Amino acid sequence: DTAVSQTPKYLVTQMGNDKSIKCEQNLGHDTMYWYKQDSKKFLKIMFSYNNKELIINETVPNRFSPKSPDKAHLNLHINSLELGDSAVYFCASSLRLAGDTDTQYFGPGTRLTVL
Amino acid sequence: AQSVSQHNHHVILSEAASLELGCNYSYGGTVNLFWYVQYPGQHLQLLLKYFSGDPLVKGIKGFEAEFIKSKFSFNLRKPSVQWSDTAEYFCAVNSRGANNLFFGTGTRLTVIP
Repeated sequence: DTAVSQTPKYLVTQMGNDKSIKCEQNLGHDTMYWYKQDSKKFLKIMFSYNNKELIINETVPNRFSPKSPDKAHLNLHINSLELGDSAVYFCASSLRLAGDTDTQYFGPGTRLTVL
Repeated sequence: AQSVSQHNHHVILSEAASLELGCNYSYGGTVNLFWYVQYPGQHLQLLLKYFSGDPLVKGIKGFEAEFIKSKFSFNLRKPSVQWSDTAEYFCAVNSRGANNLFFGTGTRLTVIP
């Protein structure tokens, strides 16, 4: 059984388009995250949601809009895609928001290529 | 702000060699420490973690890491690497009560058969 799943796995699109990446976790976790991994493999958090509420919003352009219809899903919508958005996007989840001993579990990643 | 440094960008070893990957962090408070591994084309997987207690923690696949508080370090070790250990290794830190994981830039390990 897949714990944290993302779709699609690969996404190739033109500049200026709008696209969405979906994430689902079946672990019963309360908190979900989006991370961006750039071409140099550097991972940086973008957003964190707890029980459908936005908790962390790093300095991400407002073209990126996360949406959490329920606590098992956290989707990422990106408007007006730019070349610099090309990266691998990872979804993750953890049991609680401020738990001292929580581990984050990662999805398989979505490789976004903007042409 | 927290930061995590992994000074080895690319390490190349022969099979059966011993491995040590460095990880240093900057944060004055209590932290949780993690090592994740990313095999080629795959997602991040947790290797091991330290929250409290014995500073020498053992993880999966024969890996271990030692938390040295005075040095702000959490180095990853394995006594004898295998070709299948070829992967990217990421150290990560979060402060107690926060969920924002800070990652190092990763160390690519290549094991030559």
